[in-house]
Amino acid sequence: EDKVVQSPLSLVVHEGDTVTLNCSYEVTNFRSLLWYKQEKKAPTFLFMLTSSGIEKKSGRLSSILDKKELFSILNITATQTGDSAVYLCAVLRPSGTYKYIFGTGTRLKVLA
Amino acid sequence: SAVISQKPSRDICQRGTSLTIQCQVDSQVTMMFWYRQQPGQSLTLIATANQGSEATYESGFVIDKFPISRPNLTFSTLTVSNMSPEDSSIYLCSVEERVVLSTGKVATEAFFGQGTRLTVV
Repeated sequence: EDKVVQSPLSLVVHEGDTVTLNCSYEVTNFRSLLWYKQEKKAPTFLFMLTSSGIEKKSGRLSSILDKKELFSILNITATQTGDSAVYLCAVLRPSGTYKYIFGTGTRLKVLA
Repeated sequence: SAVISQKPSRDICQRGTSLTIQCQVDSQVTMMFWYRQQPGQSLTLIATANQGSEATYESGFVIDKFPISRPNLTFSTLTVSNMSPEDSSIYLCSVEERVVLSTGKVATEAFFGQGTRLTVV
């Protein structure tokens, strides 16, 4: 059965800390892995990763994929209170129509 | 990226009633997706809505409970029927934009509406 597992489930840090969020997956016919930030209800897109070893960066956020070991990490440096959110990892696999398998998310709280 | 408007934003409903959630996209899309996110859980795909044909439901979801309409390429509705407290969730509509990778394969980026927080009492 396809599954996506994120760790830790929750994390509390102070402003300025660096955090690493993990996402491991077991998905047949892997196509891509996506990271989302969910602050209230709607997830907002952060990164899409398709190739191993190529780091994607956007400001203080970066992410990398390891297709051999079947995991991805999301790094956030110099965290701010505005980074507090649930971070979701999703893996896309073709299944008739394309289908996303979502992890349960990591709830990050950044304290001032 | 597509702009998706979803409403209502939230609602509190009595058990046994039904709620229809609307999703409007600012561009024409072939497929629209409806997800549910129960408290503390991840997003689970309910169904895929294609224009001009019946929606395709995932395992565990049935049309009688979650009827879907897709009258055109920019609009869809999801109805949560005969609600019970277990239906209390966030409901999200989603569309995808296709990306052609350097390998020639196709991947997609999913974009979401603002979500509907449903509480059934």
